[in-house]
Formats: sequence, structure tokens, C-alpha cells
Amino acid sequence: SAVISQKPSRDICQRGTSLTIQCQVDSQVTMMFWYRQQPGQSLTLIATANQGSEATYESGFVIDKFPISRPNLTFSTLTVSNMSPEDSSIYLCSVEWLDRVGVTGELFFGEGSRLTVL
Amino acid sequence: SQKIEQNSEALNIQEGKTATLTCNYTNYSPAYLQWYRQDPGRGPVFLLLIRENEKEKRKERLKVTFDTTLKQSLFHITASQPADSATYLCALDPSGSARQLTFGSGTQLTVLP
Repeated sequence: SAVISQKPSRDICQRGTSLTIQCQVDSQVTMMFWYRQQPGQSLTLIATANQGSEATYESGFVIDKFPISRPNLTFSTLTVSNMSPEDSSIYLCSVEWLDRVGVTGELFFGEGSRLTVL
Repeated sequence: SQKIEQNSEALNIQEGKTATLTCNYTNYSPAYLQWYRQDPGRGPVFLLLIRENEKEKRKERLKVTFDTTLKQSLFHITASQPADSATYLCALDPSGSARQLTFGSGTQLTVLP
């Protein structure tokens, strides 16, 4: 299994500011995924981050609003820029689990970062 | 558009009974279907994966069925315990690589002692 650490676990921010969320994995992984879970809603994929290349964003999410870094195979950051109350959500980092055969299709998630924007 | 529906209401059952959660989908042809458990304030935890050519899969007290004709998956927890109380999410996967998962909104299960 993979152990994923996210920081901060929660934060309260003012409108118009930006916050960077960090995700650290205890093993090297090819792809890291960033999800958003709005209150009472399910998980929505924001983007997929590969080491050494630009992140791939899903429909409705743009790089200017959610810039992502992936400097190495164990670390990624997601920045929520120019925040508004609508950005209040839980942001989750996840990785795909690989066994000795290859892709398993399973995702491991971090504990999430709960963001409240006032 | 693709749509995933899980039990819309919270589900309460008595300890020891079997909990059955449903996941229905439309306009989708997943190759795989997954179930996750999410506790309050925690990230989802993978439970089971079932492929489109599999009818049923079991893991300890958990059983998942997958009916691609009905476009439905059922998730059963037998001999339920209060510790099983959580939100359960189904997720559809078109390719088996977990890179394009679409999650349902979840069913909140409460097992009453």
C-alpha cells in the first residue's frame, strides 16, 4: 500500500488569496491525481499530474485557477488561486496502486485538505 | 450525459443484518466498477473492484455484484457491525487504469447497535 500525507489538513482563508496544498507519497509513483469534494458532493477529478510534464486538467478546471507542480516521483502541489467561497471544499491527492504485474485500477487517497474560504 | 445514482437516502440498519447498497448508472459502459469507503474527515479507502465480465466478487463480509445489462451494482455487507458505519462510494472506470474514475455521490450507512 501507499501512504499519502497532505498538508495542510485544514485551513481558513480570505477571499482573493491563494493556498498551496502539498502531497507527499512514501513511494515513487508515475501519476498523481487531484480531486475536489464539495460539501455533500462526490469526488470530482481536477487534474492528473505526471512528473516532468504539464498536468492534464479535466473539463471545468484550468491551470490559472489550479496550478499544479510535480517536481519528482513522490511529491506534488496543488494551488487554489484567487479563492472565493465557492472554492470551499475538501481537496484530495491520490495515486494509482501498482502491483508486481502492473496497474491494479485501485486508488489510494490522502486524508484530504479541508479548505474554507470566507 | 453520464449519470451515477446511489441510494439517495441515508441507510440505517440493525447490527447483524445485511446492508445492501445500490449503484445505478446510465449512458456509461464501464469496464470496471469499484467501491470505496469514506469515514468523516478521511480520504476514501478502496474496498473492491469488479470487472465487466465478472458477476460477483467477495472479500470477507463484503460482496459485490455487477449487472451490465441492468447497469447496476449491488454492494452487500453481511453481519453488519456499528464499525461499518460510513459513506460508501461507487466509482465507474472505463479502462481499468483508475485514471478516469467517475464517482457516485455515496450512500451514508449507519449500523445501529
